[in-house]
Amino acid sequence: GAGVSQSPSNKVTEKGKDVELRCDPISGHTALYWYRQSLGQGLEFLIYFQGNSAPDKSGLPSDRFSAERTGGSVSTLTIQRTQQEDSAVYLCASSADPGATDTQYFGPGTRLTVL
Amino acid sequence: GENVEQHPSTLSVQEGDSAVIKCTYSDSASNYFPWYKQELGKGPQLIIDIRSNVGEKKDQRIAVTLNKTAKHFSLHITETQPEDSAVYFCAASLMGYGQNFVFGPGTRLSVLP
Repeated sequence: GAGVSQSPSNKVTEKGKDVELRCDPISGHTALYWYRQSLGQGLEFLIYFQGNSAPDKSGLPSDRFSAERTGGSVSTLTIQRTQQEDSAVYLCASSADPGATDTQYFGPGTRLTVL
Repeated sequence: GENVEQHPSTLSVQEGDSAVIKCTYSDSASNYFPWYKQELGKGPQLIIDIRSNVGEKKDQRIAVTLNKTAKHFSLHITETQPEDSAVYFCAASLMGYGQNFVFGPGTRLSVLP
């Protein structure tokens, strides 16, 4: 079946603009995760959704970052008033049921460049 | 909270040799340990995982071992091939609590022909 998809694949924006990044998880997966990966670095956890609720927002770096998930499916990560340090690859992952398995399946990521 | 360390940060091996990457974790409650491979420009892909009720798991040229007492687990790749070149990430989590998924910093593996 189809894997996790993300759009856009690349986004170039000017400092101060808002951006929206989209994630379509694997159909039926209840859990969804957002990570940030700076150049040559590991994965930085941002936020986790179980269904439409986000029990863990501890990784969001500032109040300029927000995320929502509707219908237990698509999620949008919004970054307001972008800064150059926001430049990174934003990865989304989904998993079927955290109570049964924690296997996370990743999308290809969105490369964000803030000029 | 959980902290995962990973060594080495870079590793170069000759084609056909073995490669070993080691991770340590801090939370003894963690019970699920996956390994991901990330190729340039792509998202991480799961290659193998192990749960705390077993000590070793093997899938063709890839194996993972787990030492719960010492709180470390290792990835072993035998008969390495150029296509094994990638960044490898380990992770640790407590099953049933998906938000506690903590990744190591990654190992860049280069397989030299």
